[in-house]
Amino acid sequence: EAAVTQSPRSKVAVTGGKVTLSCHQTNNHDYMYWYRQDTGHGLRLIHYSYVADSTEKGDIPDGYKASRPSQENFSLILELASLSQTAVYFCASALSAETLYFGSGTRLTVL
Amino acid sequence: QQQVRQSPQSLTVWEGETAILNCSYENSAFDYFPWYQQFPGEGPALLISILSVSDKKEDGRFTIFFNKREKKLSLHIADSQPGDSATYFCAVTNSAGNKLTFGIGTRVLVRP
Repeated sequence: EAAVTQSPRSKVAVTGGKVTLSCHQTNNHDYMYWYRQDTGHGLRLIHYSYVADSTEKGDIPDGYKASRPSQENFSLILELASLSQTAVYFCASALSAETLYFGSGTRLTVL
Repeated sequence: QQQVRQSPQSLTVWEGETAILNCSYENSAFDYFPWYQQFPGEGPALLISILSVSDKKEDGRFTIFFNKREKKLSLHIADSQPGDSATYFCAVTNSAGNKLTFGIGTRVLVRP
């Protein structure tokens, strides 16, 4: 049974609209991460969190917000979606940054 | 500034051959180097890792060779199998140990 579950699996959004991507983990891990994957860029860190009710900026946080209401849940929010945010988004959980456990990803298309 | 560089971006080998994937990094303070494997439609998963105090790490057909002086490492996949066809990411952990930075990945195709 998947320990990191992302929803939705895919989504089509309109430019300027609000998008929320959700992640739920049952690993009892303190760390959670949001990465985006694009061809030619690999995996880039957007936001991360090491405790509930607190989030940290990653390497490419502009245009994204994150929310960690509980240890199990971590959301990524695009307040004003743009074409450049079309990508596959991965959530991961970890005890430490040495081993990340990824979900299956959310494919987001912004039109 | 790209902290982790990978080459080649794609690689095709025949079944049974050894695939060699390269990685280099900028910051000599990095000390933990994991490699992740990703199959199409799935998230990446930890394959093998090495600490900077070692120069070699083996796990079955997968071997990491590490050169601290040159800040380079490589992943060797011996006796490549079609099931090894995937994208492989080299990564480094920051000095605080709380986040992972990935390279752009190497897509490996193993032809039967």
